[in-house]
Amino acid sequence: GAVVSQHPSWVICKSGTSVKIECRSLDFQATTMFWYRQFPKQSLMLMATSNEGSKATYEQGVEKDKFLINHASLTLSTLTVTSAHPEDSSFYICSAESAGLEQFFGPGTRLTVL
Amino acid sequence: QKEVEQNSGPLSVPEGAIASLNCTYSDRGSQSFFWYRQYSGKSPELIMFIYSNGDKEDGRFTAQLNKASQYVSLLIRDSQPSDSATYLCAVNNAGGTSYGKLTFGQGTILTVHP
Repeated sequence: GAVVSQHPSWVICKSGTSVKIECRSLDFQATTMFWYRQFPKQSLMLMATSNEGSKATYEQGVEKDKFLINHASLTLSTLTVTSAHPEDSSFYICSAESAGLEQFFGPGTRLTVL
Repeated sequence: QKEVEQNSGPLSVPEGAIASLNCTYSDRGSQSFFWYRQYSGKSPELIMFIYSNGDKEDGRFTAQLNKASQYVSLLIRDSQPSDSATYLCAVNNAGGTSYGKLTFGQGTILTVHP
């Protein structure tokens, strides 16, 4: 199957700082990328859907000014958590979809905000 | 009412037995149904998907869909300890082969004991 990578795989930061997470489709062009968040012992919750070259669509309750998404190319989407706080500590997972193919998940990024 | 509901378990079965995982969904417009397996600390991996009423078999796995009852299940035959994981049910409203935006259930923890 197709490969989606995320970088970094884990990050620890101080409260108030910003963190950028990259999601790359390595061997296919992703028309759409999705960003999910998963808190411990909970399921994946979709945060936003991004299409290359256009603004991301955020789910209800997700602050677009706090979680900045940039989908600059067909192989790269970034999620920036701005002014991170301890409650933002979570497992962030991206997925990439190419039209007509399944949705492939990245390995996830574990964010810990101190 | 949650959009996608699963029994969180844990479900414990002996090695070699059949594990039965269930999922109900609230949106009658849902068209595509997915089962993912997630190991602790890892991102989900697709087991199988189903679109049409009835059964779909893939190796030791069988997905069953009943749209009238808004119910989808996953059977795992000859369960192995390596099948121990959290199983996530996901649905979307996209038709055809587009996977689109997924709504996940909370997952069922399966433990297969030797």
